[in-house]
Amino acid sequence: AQSVTQLDSHVSVSEGTPVLLRCNYSSSYSPSLFWYVQHPNKGLQLLLKYTSAATLVKGINGFEAEFKKSETSFHLTKPSAHMSDAAEYFCVVSGVERTGGGNKLTFGTGTQLKVEL
Amino acid sequence: NAGVTQTPKFQVLKTGQSMTLQCAQDMNHNSMYWYRQDPGMGLRLIYYSASEGTTDKGEVPNGYNVSRLNKREFSLRLESAAPSQTSVYFCASSRTSGIGADTQYFGPGTRLTVL
Repeated sequence: AQSVTQLDSHVSVSEGTPVLLRCNYSSSYSPSLFWYVQHPNKGLQLLLKYTSAATLVKGINGFEAEFKKSETSFHLTKPSAHMSDAAEYFCVVSGVERTGGGNKLTFGTGTQLKVEL
Repeated sequence: NAGVTQTPKFQVLKTGQSMTLQCAQDMNHNSMYWYRQDPGMGLRLIYYSASEGTTDKGEVPNGYNVSRLNKREFSLRLESAAPSQTSVYFCASSRTSGIGADTQYFGPGTRLTVL
């Protein structure tokens, strides 16, 4: 079975400082990994995804994540936080758990990012 | 190109009432999904439809039924609503359902309260 753990439920940073949101995963298969962002009262938007190509993945709005197989991690980073980055972030692992199964996603419990002036 | 649309945006039900949540996508995707989002639990899959004409249970299917009406539309029905079904419901779609990294695209959600 696949699982994902987001190590921090809340992260607070000052505007202009780096962002680090941590994610560890477990999967019996070669996983695909995603980060989604959810702004208040909105749906989920894809930030970036890892698909077994380059281990450093660049996404939208200056975010990037690095896939580290040895550490089973897929941490999300951004060099300089902006007020508009305040949102909830979900780390997601994708895999097929049974023959004929769909491309089902397993979500982490989310990290709420707060950006202060 | 509207992507994934959901109706209604908000709904309040009394215990025992029934309702259907509607979802439609205009991206010609084969696969569609229903999730619920509860505080501190991320999103959990209720049902999915890998392709038109097929549906299958996800992680939390009890109390729900689904219909894949055609390639575009995938509805979720609560036959007898319970307070435990108070949640935010998201519909999503993806191009295929096979192994790989097909991105799922999400609708804006339906906020359901059951009194």
